[in-house]
Amino acid sequence: TQLLEQSPQFLSIQEGENLTVYCNSSSVFSSLQWYRQEPGEGPVLLVTVVTGGEVKKLKRLTFQFGDARKDSSLHITAAQPGDTGLYLCAGALSGANSKLTFGKGITLSVRP
Amino acid sequence: GAVVSQHPSWVICKSGTSVKIECRSLDFQATTMFWYRQFPKQSLMLMATSNEGSKATYEQGVEKDKFLINHASLTLSTLTVTSAHPEDSSFYICSARATRNTEAFFGQGTRLTVV
Repeated sequence: TQLLEQSPQFLSIQEGENLTVYCNSSSVFSSLQWYRQEPGEGPVLLVTVVTGGEVKKLKRLTFQFGDARKDSSLHITAAQPGDTGLYLCAGALSGANSKLTFGKGITLSVRP
Repeated sequence: GAVVSQHPSWVICKSGTSVKIECRSLDFQATTMFWYRQFPKQSLMLMATSNEGSKATYEQGVEKDKFLINHASLTLSTLTVTSAHPEDSSFYICSARATRNTEAFFGQGTRLTVV
């Protein structure tokens, strides 16, 4: 059973389009993180959200944490080819180890 | 963000040999380091969690005698793949965090190919 479900799994869009992708769970997380990973590289942290309902912006990227801290969305405005990559969400459950559980990721391709 | 460095970036080894991968936190002290494995076009699968000075905690299904983890200092953890086989070929990634309440930062990954 996958703790974090990400959707859609694959997305191919034209440069300039907007998009929203999702990260859903039935579990409550103390924090949730979004990463972007390019082929052959490690994931790079984009944002951490910790408060239910929280919205964070990173240039053209807007991240929202659900009110119940079970889900999150990532909205990209005017996508660019440089946004291409694997977007991973990861949640930390409350507990002694607070290890991160990753979703399967969303492969985004932005065509010029 | 903080810098985590893995070495080597890629390695090719013969079946039956052992390979050591290093993970270093360059500008902070990491009380906890995590080791992941990633297959092509798939997500990261946590293999083990290591806390400095104590034994690693392995995830279910991960053989601790095959994947030896040492976290001897606050800036270095090593993963040794012993008696490697072709099915061990994968992308191995570490991450490190300073405390329970701080973010974890990832290394650039190590591509292991066993021939």
